[in-house]
Amino acid sequence: ELKVEQNPLFLSMQEGKNYTIYCNYSTTSDRLYWYRQDPGKSLESLFVLLSNGAVKQEGRLMASLDTKARLSTLHITAAVHDLSATYFCAVAGLNYGGSQGNLIFGKGTKLSVKP
Amino acid sequence: NAGVTQTPKFQVLKTGQSMTLQCAQDMNHEYMSWYRQDPGMGLRLIHYSVGAGITDQGEVPNGYNVSRSTTEDFPLRLLSAAPSQTSVYFCASRLQDSYGYTFGSGTRLTVV
Repeated sequence: ELKVEQNPLFLSMQEGKNYTIYCNYSTTSDRLYWYRQDPGKSLESLFVLLSNGAVKQEGRLMASLDTKARLSTLHITAAVHDLSATYFCAVAGLNYGGSQGNLIFGKGTKLSVKP
Repeated sequence: NAGVTQTPKFQVLKTGQSMTLQCAQDMNHEYMSWYRQDPGMGLRLIHYSVGAGITDQGEVPNGYNVSRSTTEDFPLRLLSAAPSQTSVYFCASRLQDSYGYTFGSGTRLTVV
């Protein structure tokens, strides 16, 4: 059974600081997703990581994937208040069909960036 | 191209009432799924479908029914609502051989 663990669950940061959110998953997967959710809103896709060693960056956010360690990280550089949101990682199975096409989510990391 | 449309956006039910949450997509996506989101729990899969006429259970299916008579629609039925079903419900879809999921805007359900 595929399980996804995120940590920390809560993160309070000061503007300008760097931090990393970790996402561990329990079984082999070839697709890892990062989403952002603002209060009362739906999920916004940030990154899709498809292979070992994949690294993607958008603005102050950078995501990486290590499939051997079953670990993904979301690194925040020089945080700003606008990054305050809840961030979810999600993992899907090895193939696209049947139950392995389902996304399994972590519990989310609530990020608060303070001036 | 409207993407994934969920209706209603908000709903209050009394315990024991039934209702259907609607999810429709116009992208010809084979895969559709329903999640519920509760504080501190992330999103948990309720039911999913890989095509018309094919549905299966996810992690938390009890109290919910689904059907998939067309590619476009994937309604979620609550037969007898309970306070434990108070949650935010999201529908998601994906083209079978692609990796991008499209999420609806959600339905906030309160059962009193």
